[in-house]
Amino acid sequence: DVKVTQSSRYLVKRTGEKVFLECVQDMDHENMFWYRQDPGLGLRLIYFSYDVKMKEKGDIPEGYSVSREKKERFSLILESASTNQTSMYLCASSLGQGVGETQYFGPGTRLLVL
Amino acid sequence: QQQVKQSPQSLIVQKGGISIINCAYENTAFDYFPWYQQFPGKGPALLIAIRPDVSEKKEGRFTISFNKSAKQFSLHIMDSQPGDSATYFCAASRPNQAGTALIFGKGTTLSVSS
Repeated sequence: DVKVTQSSRYLVKRTGEKVFLECVQDMDHENMFWYRQDPGLGLRLIYFSYDVKMKEKGDIPEGYSVSREKKERFSLILESASTNQTSMYLCASSLGQGVGETQYFGPGTRLLVL
Repeated sequence: QQQVKQSPQSLIVQKGGISIINCAYENTAFDYFPWYQQFPGKGPALLIAIRPDVSEKKEGRFTISFNKSAKQFSLHIMDSQPGDSATYFCAASRPNQAGTALIFGKGTTLSVSS
């Protein structure tokens, strides 16, 4: 079974802090994704990566950056956390570049910025 | 053009009834339409998916109906059960983009009453 793990289930940070969210997948997937999930807004894509050291902006990249130094690990970085970044963050991965690749999601990290 | 519109936002169905969730899109270049199911405290998981060259796909009690000319697709859950209570997201695959990123609808919270 594909397993996507996220470093924390719950996180509380202060405004202005630098925040790192870590995601690891164990199935040698090429693609990894970061979404945020907010009530009534669904899942919105922040960034994704289709290869090591490669990244593409999603729909809401402002205030975020990412790092993918190893194939299995994709980090989301909040350079200076703000209260409007309080949200559920979901990481996902998929195998390759074909159409119809299933995305496998981690359990999510609920971030509260005070 | 890059949106997927999902309705209703919430749905209450009696046990044994039919649950229907609808989605609409504008971009005719979308080439893959999955539905994801999310239980509380978990990440979304692929439920069923369809390509635009097929009008219907059935897997057990779950059916996707696809209307290419109307640019609409829907999820039907037959004989709905309390265990189907979850949030459902429709999605569409972004064409010509590395990493096969998805665009998600805003979600439908389904409650099946016993």
